[in-house]
Amino acid sequence: DIQMTQSPSSVSASVGDRVTITCRASQGISSWLAWYQQKPGKAPKLLIYAASSLQSGVPSRFSGSGSGTDFTLTISSLQPEDFATYYCQQANSFSLTFGGGTKVEIK
Amino acid sequence: QVQLVQSGAEVKKPGASVKVSCKASGYTFTGYYMHWVRQAPGQGLEWMGWINPNSGGTNYAQKFQGWVTMTRDTSISTAYMELSRLRSDDTAVYYCARDLRAGANWFDPWGQGTLVTVSS
Repeated sequence: DIQMTQSPSSVSASVGDRVTITCRASQGISSWLAWYQQKPGKAPKLLIYAASSLQSGVPSRFSGSGSGTDFTLTISSLQPEDFATYYCQQANSFSLTFGGGTKVEIK
Repeated sequence: QVQLVQSGAEVKKPGASVKVSCKASGYTFTGYYMHWVRQAPGQGLEWMGWINPNSGGTNYAQKFQGWVTMTRDTSISTAYMELSRLRSDDTAVYYCARDLRAGANWFDPWGQGTLVTVSS
């Protein structure tokens, strides 16, 4: 299976900060990567797919970039509703895998 | 609107089986693969596999092969996930999630989740 490694595992930030989360694949996955946001007690929500395509209804402060093995999710100006856990997910292989998650906490 | 509604919470004893349902509405059920993902308490997301509601074909993660069965009933637009030989570490929230687009393997939308508790 392709292993997905996210960093950092947690980050403390303030409203208005720029936040960057990285995801590294154990082998090249082209642009077959998605990002999800999950709030406590809720199902995950798709933010970004195909590495950089913004899902309908998702605010433009979220953006994704990268290809091959290294990917980034950026929140340009953190809002109160953005405090959550973020997961990357690869869809390049027959067996899909998620990263371990990054928790964005209030500073 | 597209919606997935899952069955309610379950409590099972070790060694038992559990069957979770996921009723789809708002779209053509047979047009999109349905995935199952689980999340143990305080842990990350773990993909279990998918079912093609049109053909009934399945693809299970290697960890779950021989242990999970995914089925569907097209007459009622419902997918099922059955996990057998339950252990305490199978305690988790189980989600169904639809392909964003046919064959894309991006998950949207998701069901609300079903908590399965395995305890003696």
